Amino acid sequence: DAGITQSPRHKVTETGTPVTLRCHQTENHRYMYWYRQDPGHGLRLIHYSYGVKDTDKGEVSDGYSVSRSKTEDFLLTLESATSSQTSVYFCAIRAGQGARYEQYFGPGTRLTVT
Amino acid sequence: EDQVTQSPEALRLQEGESSSLNCSYTVSGLRGLFWYRQDPGKGPEFLFTLYSAGEEKEKERLKATLTKKESFLHITAPKPEDSATYLCAVQEIGTETSGSRLTFGEGTQLTVNP
Repeated sequence: DAGITQSPRHKVTETGTPVTLRCHQTENHRYMYWYRQDPGHGLRLIHYSYGVKDTDKGEVSDGYSVSRSKTEDFLLTLESATSSQTSVYFCAIRAGQGARYEQYFGPGTRLTVT
Repeated sequence: EDQVTQSPEALRLQEGESSSLNCSYTVSGLRGLFWYRQDPGKGPEFLFTLYSAGEEKEKERLKATLTKKESFLHITAPKPEDSATYLCAVQEIGTETSGSRLTFGEGTQLTVNP
């Protein structure tokens, strides 16, 4: 399972409230990713990190921010949650050597915004 | 823009009935094509990476193949435990400077009946 945990695993929150999701890895991987998965869209990249304090946007980054103060933790924050952010959120790490690497995913967080 | 299309959307097989899933892609240059398996309520599980046309990889009853425009996931004599959603993703050459991001298809939901 590449040593990835996500917390919480399930969360229900109200529109307009801030929400932070946590991804924790135990294997010192440099790259970490946040995706969301929705019916009809597949997995879409929100943000990624290529090191401590180094982050960049993915294809669906509006309304989300991220932070990485330690190698092992990558946080995703919804500053003011909206119903359109109801989704399943997956964290991933990149592992491999040289030019060949794969992404491994965590178990996911199901977020419902009411 | 990268595009990944998987077909069929859903496939129902009888145990032992072999079949194939398709993943067609359009990228300017393919760095890698990835297959994942996803069980309900869980994160995607890495299966294979293919890097060049003509490459094949096998794992138990699964065999993945790659051409210049598509990949097939062949399932030989499937069992009920092979039931899952199978996801395909591509990484385009040049995305190394943008996190080696993956573009995912929407998946094929496979059901194998006993």
